[in-house]
Amino acid sequence: EAGVAQSPRYKIIEKRQSVAFWCNPISGHATLYWYQQILGQGPKLLIQFQNNGVVDDSQLPKDRFSAERLKGVDSTLKIQPAKLEDSAVYLCASSLGYSDTQYFGPGTRLTVL
Amino acid sequence: GENVEQHPSTLSVQEGDSAVIKCTYSDSASNYFPWYKQELGKGPQLIIDIRSNVGEKKDQRIAVTLNKTAKHFSLHITETQPEDSAVYFCAARPNFGNEKLTFGTGTRLTIIP
Repeated sequence: EAGVAQSPRYKIIEKRQSVAFWCNPISGHATLYWYQQILGQGPKLLIQFQNNGVVDDSQLPKDRFSAERLKGVDSTLKIQPAKLEDSAVYLCASSLGYSDTQYFGPGTRLTVL
Repeated sequence: GENVEQHPSTLSVQEGDSAVIKCTYSDSASNYFPWYKQELGKGPQLIIDIRSNVGEKKDQRIAVTLNKTAKHFSLHITETQPEDSAVYFCAARPNFGNEKLTFGTGTRLTIIP
């Protein structure tokens, strides 16, 4: 069974630029999550989708971050404009349902200069 | 919301010895406690989880214990091997609704050959 796919794996941008990350969850998984993992910390949930609807985006900085999950499968997370403090690994995870085991992708390491 | 504390932040053990990582949580409604292992450049991978209806769960060299009264749970790795070297995260979540998974800050485990 294929795991959660993410791209790109690495991205370096200047502050105030925009960036987008892509995630393809495990086939059949209805729930998709985006996490931010700052160096030395545990993952922090940014947004959770159930199919193509948002379940929880309470910790998403909505003035600069946006995410969508069209057709309830793939998802994109965008940052515009980026700040230095956005440097982190962005992890995508998926699960069959919201109470099931979460499987993580390899992450995208973002560096904002 | 839930708060999860994890310690130690770093742990070095001789190969073949046991390693123990401890976590405490604040929300008495939490009843799902997974442990993730994260290797360099990879996303977290679930290694074991426990739900509040049991006090202990084992899977080969890995075990997790839960004390709901004291609100703490622990990961035990016996007969450690070099491939056990990684960062380990505990997490907690209420098993109802769409409550999010809250992660600890991680423990960097190093196995000394």
